[in-house]
Amino acid sequence: EAGVTQFPSHSVIEKGQTVTLRCDPISGHDNLYWYRRVMGKEIKFLLHFVKESKQDESGMPNNRFLAERTGGTYSTLKVQPAELEDSGVYFCASSQQYTEAFFGQGTRLTVV
Amino acid sequence: AQSVTQLDSQVPVFEEAPVELRCNYSSSVSVYLFWYVQYPNQGLQLLLKYLSGSTLVKGINGFEAEFNKSQTSFHLRKPSVHISDTAEYFCAVIASGGYQKVTFGTGTKLQVIP
Repeated sequence: EAGVTQFPSHSVIEKGQTVTLRCDPISGHDNLYWYRRVMGKEIKFLLHFVKESKQDESGMPNNRFLAERTGGTYSTLKVQPAELEDSGVYFCASSQQYTEAFFGQGTRLTVV
Repeated sequence: AQSVTQLDSQVPVFEEAPVELRCNYSSSVSVYLFWYVQYPNQGLQLLLKYLSGSTLVKGINGFEAEFNKSQTSFHLRKPSVHISDTAEYFCAVIASGGYQKVTFGTGTKLQVIP
């Protein structure tokens, strides 16, 4: 069974540009989460989808971040325009109801 | 709300020596506890979890952790480490019975020295 897949694995963009991160959850997992780790700090929750609906987006840092999950399958996280402080590793995770979350390999975003 | 403290950011240890990675948590509600591991250039992998029952839980690769409710701790241990255990380890909690919004600690880098 395929795990959680994230694309790209690494992205380097200039300040002001737009970047879209993609996450493909494990098939059948209704819950999908985005997390972010800024260098040297803890991994922080960004938001949670249940199927295509946003259950909790309390961790989204500002309105430059837009997450979508069309059809309740894969999800995208768009950063527009990117700022230097957006650099970090973005993790996606998925889970079934009341079970542990399975994480992807992460996307390392570098804004220069 | 929950919080997790991993006091040791880096832990160097010689190969075949024992290791303990410390984790303390704070929560006003009951929690489930986890340890995740991130090997170089890989994603987060679940090492072990405590949901209920026996307070000593065993995970993959010979690791174990003990839940201590009175001390609000969930320390990770291994009696003899290998070079391949070099990785970053994250302690994490979620509110029991809730959905899986995970609160992580800042991570501990375990460096195994040959």
